[in-house]
Amino acid sequence: AQSVTQLGSHVSVSEGALVLLRCNYSSSVPPYLFWYVQYPNQGLQLLLKYTSAATLVKGINGFEAEFKKSETSFHLTKPSAHMSDAAEYFCAVSPDDKIIFGKGTRLHILP
Amino acid sequence: DTEVTQTPKHLVMGMTNKKSLKCEQHMGHRAMYWYKQKAKKPPELMFVYSYEKLSINESVPSRFSPECPNSSLLNLHLHALQPEDSALYLCASSQDPGGADGYTFGSGTRLTVV
Repeated sequence: AQSVTQLGSHVSVSEGALVLLRCNYSSSVPPYLFWYVQYPNQGLQLLLKYTSAATLVKGINGFEAEFKKSETSFHLTKPSAHMSDAAEYFCAVSPDDKIIFGKGTRLHILP
Repeated sequence: DTEVTQTPKHLVMGMTNKKSLKCEQHMGHRAMYWYKQKAKKPPELMFVYSYEKLSINESVPSRFSPECPNSSLLNLHLHALQPEDSALYLCASSQDPGGADGYTFGSGTRLTVV
């Protein structure tokens, strides 16, 4: 079964520093891949998605992710962290008629 | 309208109560979903409705009963729940039942079973 693995349940970066959240997928065929963000006591918001059109995907709020088939990775990056980026981030894969989420990474922004 | 609306936002119910959660979208999406999310955990899929028909039931206990009265509305009927069912219940929808465009999520119903 297809799945995603997020490396690091907690990541801390200083405000203004690079954000890198790691995600690896398990699939022999490139799947649909997504990054979602969840702020406290809220639902999930789609940041960006990979659907094979382009390997570098740009999303909202300055985030982007690069699909690397050779590494089976789909890491999320942002050049400069803001305090408002503090949240839970989920990588997700869509193997069939459903989306399966990774365990999530809590991003902490240090002043 | 680009939102999924869930009501109520908070619900406290006893183990013998019957209650319902409601989810509504007016984006013309043809698939709707129920997810359950425990604290500090990822959302777990419960049910998928595709073109108003139940297409996936992830072995959810029968005390949870989904209903899709029309293409815009999704309900989750609750009966005889247990305290361990306390969680955030999230509804989502997508244009494509395959989910290739990603899902639009509601803000959830925080359920507490006492």
